[in-house]
Amino acid sequence: EADIYQTPRYLVIGTGKKITLECSQTMGHDKMYWYQQDPGMELHLIHYSYGVNSTEKGDLSSESTVSRIRTEHFPLTLESARPSHTSQYLCASSGGLLYNAGELFFGEGSRLTVL
Amino acid sequence: AQRVTQPEKLLSVFKGAPVELKCNYSYSGSPELFWYVQYSRQRLQLLLRHISRESIKGFTADLNKGETSFHLKKPFAQEEDSAMYYCALSGRISNFGNEKLTFGTGTRLTIIP
Repeated sequence: EADIYQTPRYLVIGTGKKITLECSQTMGHDKMYWYQQDPGMELHLIHYSYGVNSTEKGDLSSESTVSRIRTEHFPLTLESARPSHTSQYLCASSGGLLYNAGELFFGEGSRLTVL
Repeated sequence: AQRVTQPEKLLSVFKGAPVELKCNYSYSGSPELFWYVQYSRQRLQLLLRHISRESIKGFTADLNKGETSFHLKKPFAQEEDSAMYYCALSGRISNFGNEKLTFGTGTRLTIIP
């Protein structure tokens, strides 16, 4: 079934740890995105990708990095997590054969807590 | 810079009453506006887009360029409308398309039975 998957859903880790948030989609989409959302705040675009080997930084500066080696996969990595990284991270994708402008498909989100 | 403002964080409306969720934007070019919705325990999903001029689940939204607004309206609220609603704006980016969206802070709509 076509979908977009994020793992882990919840993660609690200590300061200084390296973490990777996984995002995979089977939608056949070429564009993928990472948004960061703090409680009660707007979603901020932190990374996006046009396709394989394409990554761009979004509107909100982030210490995280991303890679796009495969069309389906768009992982986000924090080399050394800090409490300021505590947030919800939403992955999304768009494009494909049934493309509608402005329609993003979101995953369930990864809620990260750094102690 | 583009910005989306949703002045109400919370809105409670009685079932059967009209609903209006406010959205104002700032953008120097020609914007495209969207409403996204997140129901309890579900993912964020697109509700409607202004270019389609469509009514989805009884909701409509008209782009008013003079007032830079894109308010979401429904004449008669239903309990299943309770959700978080986000207004979003896309400025035209020539080499990327229209999916680089700027979101507002959202309004939590609660329909009172």
